[in-house]
Amino acid sequence: QVTLKESGPARVKPTQTLTLTCTFSGFSLTTRGMRVSWIRQPPGKALEWLARIDWDDDKIYSTSLKTRLTISKDTSKNQVVLTMTNMDSVDTATYYCARTTSYGVLDVWGKGTTVTVSS
Amino acid sequence: QSVLTQPPSVSGAPGQTVTISCTGSSSNFGAGFDVHWFQQLPGAAPKLLIYANSNRPSGVPDRFSGSKSGTSASLAITGLQAEDEADYYCQSSDSSLSAYVFGTGTTVTVL
Repeated sequence: QVTLKESGPARVKPTQTLTLTCTFSGFSLTTRGMRVSWIRQPPGKALEWLARIDWDDDKIYSTSLKTRLTISKDTSKNQVVLTMTNMDSVDTATYYCARTTSYGVLDVWGKGTTVTVSS
Repeated sequence: QSVLTQPPSVSGAPGQTVTISCTGSSSNFGAGFDVHWFQQLPGAAPKLLIYANSNRPSGVPDRFSGSKSGTSASLAITGLQAEDEADYYCQSSDSSLSAYVFGTGTTVTVL
């Protein structure tokens, strides 16, 4: 059974750096073709894809947020970490991680973690 | 920035059929990238509903079907049920953005 769980601070202040962790089980990021993506959803708004990391450590980022995002993995812990710098109130959202297949299908999602940016 | 456009809302009576459109462009659907659909029940995480245009993951009722043609895609829900009230999102890849993109989202209401 594949599961993913997001964790991180519920609140950060403007200009701070957000660090989120996705802990997963039921698959390995050392398996060829496996990937993990991060997606966010501001309250009442649409989903927005943020970043993806692949089994071979290849990484891709949202064009609009590329300068603020860093994604990394720790295969020994089955974790993927996303950092987002210079947080602003518009970054208030629920952040999800999702397993991503080699065909680009986000097939299993975590329940999400809500982050509020406020001073 | 959503590059896939969906109607904000659709509605139907129980038992009816509703269709949700997803309009893309030459850099996503027109470039041959597949469309995937997600269902998001109130307060829950998105769930994969249709992948690779028309395929249902195990456990998804056959009331849900998807298709893609040219620069557009659609999701149909036949035999609409109260439990289908949710937000629905299309998703694809985009060559101009070198990234994944989601649709604007559609709220389905069962009258």
